[in-house]
Amino acid sequence: GDSVTQMEGPVTLSEEAFLTINCTYTATGYPSLFWYVQYPGEGLQLLLKATKADDKGSNKGFEATYRKETTSFHLEKGSVQVSDSAVYFCALSDLGSSYKLIFGSGTRLLVRP
Amino acid sequence: GAVVSQHPSWVICKSGTSVKIECRSLDFQATTMFWYRQFPKQSLMLMATSNEGSKATYEQGVEKDKFLINHASLTLSTLTVTSAHPEDSSFYICSARDVATSGRTDTQYFGPGTRLTVL
Repeated sequence: GDSVTQMEGPVTLSEEAFLTINCTYTATGYPSLFWYVQYPGEGLQLLLKATKADDKGSNKGFEATYRKETTSFHLEKGSVQVSDSAVYFCALSDLGSSYKLIFGSGTRLLVRP
Repeated sequence: GAVVSQHPSWVICKSGTSVKIECRSLDFQATTMFWYRQFPKQSLMLMATSNEGSKATYEQGVEKDKFLINHASLTLSTLTVTSAHPEDSSFYICSARDVATSGRTDTQYFGPGTRLTVL
């Protein structure tokens, strides 16, 4: 079945450092890919998404490119801020899963001043 | 746009009582809503898919008589945890798909979550 694998956290960075959170997926069809962010005590917010190969999703300085050849959707940001501290979830959705979201395990990011 | 609310945001109840959690799409109509459960420092586990005007579809291992779901309108779904016990304590999150765009996108919009503590 469909699945998503994320790098384990926590990831601890200093402010203004470069961020990469790896995400790879397994899917039978052609999924849409998502990154969601969860701030402490809150629900999930859609950060960005990509619906087909080579698409690049971007928002708030974060980017991720849909790489079909490597089945990856790595999240990157050039300069993180303390306010980016949160848990990041990679997810996919496709016809094979009846458009249910399949989540990765989440990666906790801690940015220190 | 695309705001989903949940009520209450947190609730504490005694063991054996029932608790109802509401999920509302505030500025769009949602034929499909989803209910998730999240344990501390873990990912979201899909519990059930709620379809307006029909019975919910439960994921394997989720007791439908324990977690009652009602989706009576295009903007409201409710989850009732019946005869709650301490092991039901968790963070419950709902999400909704916008019916106007569901044919073109599979984006889900999430509510802020409800923290349930059963004493």
